[in-house]
This record gives sequence, C-alpha cells and structure tokens, in this order.
Amino acid sequence: EVQLVESGGGLVQPGGSLRLSCAASGLRISDYYMAWVRQAPGKGLEWVGRITHIGDGYATEYAASVRGRVTISRDDSKNSLYLQMTSLKADDTALYYCITEFWYRFEYWGQGTVITVSS
Amino acid sequence: QSALTQPASVSGSPGQSITISCTGTSGDIGGYKYVSWYQQHPGKAPKLMIYDVTNRPSGVSNRFSGSKSGNTASLTISGLQAEDEADYYCNSYSSSTTLYVFGTGTKVTVL
Repeated sequence: EVQLVESGGGLVQPGGSLRLSCAASGLRISDYYMAWVRQAPGKGLEWVGRITHIGDGYATEYAASVRGRVTISRDDSKNSLYLQMTSLKADDTALYYCITEFWYRFEYWGQGTVITVSS
Repeated sequence: QSALTQPASVSGSPGQSITISCTGTSGDIGGYKYVSWYQQHPGKAPKLMIYDVTNRPSGVSNRFSGSKSGNTASLTISGLQAEDEADYYCNSYSSSTTLYVFGTGTKVTVL
C-alpha cells in the first residue's frame, strides 16, 4: 500500500519559516516527479511546486504565488520530499499535501499537514 | 495565473447524469491534453478520477467520463449515486507562469 505521510506543520508567526517533510512508503519516489499542493481552509486546491526526478536533473518549478519564498528538495535515499517555506504570510495558511506527479497527473496524495501563519 | 472556472455547485437525483464544466484558456486546457479531475470527500485527500482528458485510472468506476472541447473540459457522472457527493476539481498543465492550475471546485449534491 502506498503511503505519503507529511509532517512538520504547525503555528508560525508572519515572516517565519517552516520545513515540511513527506515520508513515502510502498513506492520509490525516485521513479516520480514529486510535488506539493495546498488547500486553504474552506478553499480550493492550489499547486505549489514540484521537483523532477534525477533523470531530469532534479529541476524545480514553483507557483508564482510562492516563487522566491519556497524551496522543494528530495532525498531519494530516504524516500522523502521536503518543502522549505520562508517569509510566511497569512495567505500561506493551508493544509499542505505531498503528491506524486506522473505524466501530468497526481496519482498519490498524502493526508496533509497544516501550516497556520498567525501572530 | 487565474484558477480554471467551474460552477460552484451541481446537483442531481440518484440515477441521473450530471456534467461539470471547467473553463480555461488556450494556454492551458485549450493547448494541452493534460486535463485531470479529482474527487474530494470532506476531510479526505483528493482522489484522481480522470487523466489526460478522457482516461480513467484503474479502479475508478466507468460512470465517470471526461471530455474536452476548445478551452473547456467536462466531467460527466452517469448513474449518480449517493457516494458521488463530494467536491470535484479539474486541473490542467499550463504554459503560463505557473505550471499547473486547478479549477475553482464544484460541489456535487445528490438529491
């Protein structure tokens, strides 16, 4: 059974930083592009960014809304994905999902971890 | 990059068919065959229902089908069942400043 388990969320003050982790089991993330999607409370889904696999040079792409404040990285040896967020704003308050990207579709999703940005 | 436009809500009676539209631009839906649809029940993670406009992943009921015409994609649910009551989101690859864009979401209610 495939599982993606996010961790690292919590309450952070505006302007603060946070690092999310995603531990995968039941699949090898080295076979996938990996991405993050977020969902603000009561709102829709928003693609945050992605990182390709080693075959495509671990290239990263980010949504315009977070570009410059977010870094996605991965450690295939640990079967893990990471999301480093800085200069956090109230608008970043959301449930953050770790997902696999395979040929333009998002097949596997974690249950998410919540970031709350508030003073 | 603006979100793709979906109706806020669609409803139908059990056994009926409903269609959810998803409107974008030539830079996303109109320009690529990479449209996918996701079902989300309350408190749950989204689930992939359709990919590449028309394809169903293994295990997804054939009551779900997808199509595209121009800049608008559609998801049709046939033989509506109580378990289909959920939020549905479209997604498309995009040539704009953001690689992927989601739709605004549609709440499906089974009457």
